[in-house]
Amino acid sequence: EDKVVQSPLSLVVHEGDTVTLNCSYEVTNFRSLLWYKQEKKAPTFLFMLTSSGIEKKSGRLSSILDKKELFSILNITATQTGDSAIYLCAVVPWSGNTGKLIFGQGTTLQVKP
Amino acid sequence: DGGITQSPKYLFRKEGQNVTLSCEQNLNHDAMYWYRQDPGQGLRLIYYSQIVNDFQKGDIAEGYSVSREKKESFPLTVTSAQKNPTAFYLCASSMYGGSTDTQYFGPGTRLTVL
Repeated sequence: EDKVVQSPLSLVVHEGDTVTLNCSYEVTNFRSLLWYKQEKKAPTFLFMLTSSGIEKKSGRLSSILDKKELFSILNITATQTGDSAIYLCAVVPWSGNTGKLIFGQGTTLQVKP
Repeated sequence: DGGITQSPKYLFRKEGQNVTLSCEQNLNHDAMYWYRQDPGQGLRLIYYSQIVNDFQKGDIAEGYSVSREKKESFPLTVTSAQKNPTAFYLCASSMYGGSTDTQYFGPGTRLTVL
């Protein structure tokens, strides 16, 4: 059965800290991995990763994929209170090209002032 | 302003009642999706539709029904057969519904069964 597992499930840090969120997967016919940020309402898209070893970067956020070890990490440097959110990882399999996503449980990040 | 809208934001219903959640998009996307989010379980796919007048069951379709009569609309009905309907419901859409598309989410509807 396809599955995506995120760790830790929750994390509390102070502003300025650096955090690393993990996403491991066991998915047949992997196509891509997505990261979303959810602040109480709609998840917003952060990154799509399809190739191993190529870092995607957006400001203080960066992410990388390891297709050999089947995981991805999301790094946030110099955290701010506005980074507090649930971070969702999802894998897209080549399941008949339906676009179905398999989500992990999410990591809840709280950044304290 | 392009985007996905869901209504209502909060919904309360009594046990035994059916209720319909609205999802509308003006992004001209072909594909639309309904997810359910429970604490500690991430998002689970209920139904999805890649084209008008066609839809497929997701992983947890029991107790739910959908229709796709118009490209921009994909309403979800939570029936009385759904055992644990209290949850946060998210609608999403993507351009073509393929494996390379990014899904964009609406703001969600929080359903509480009293």
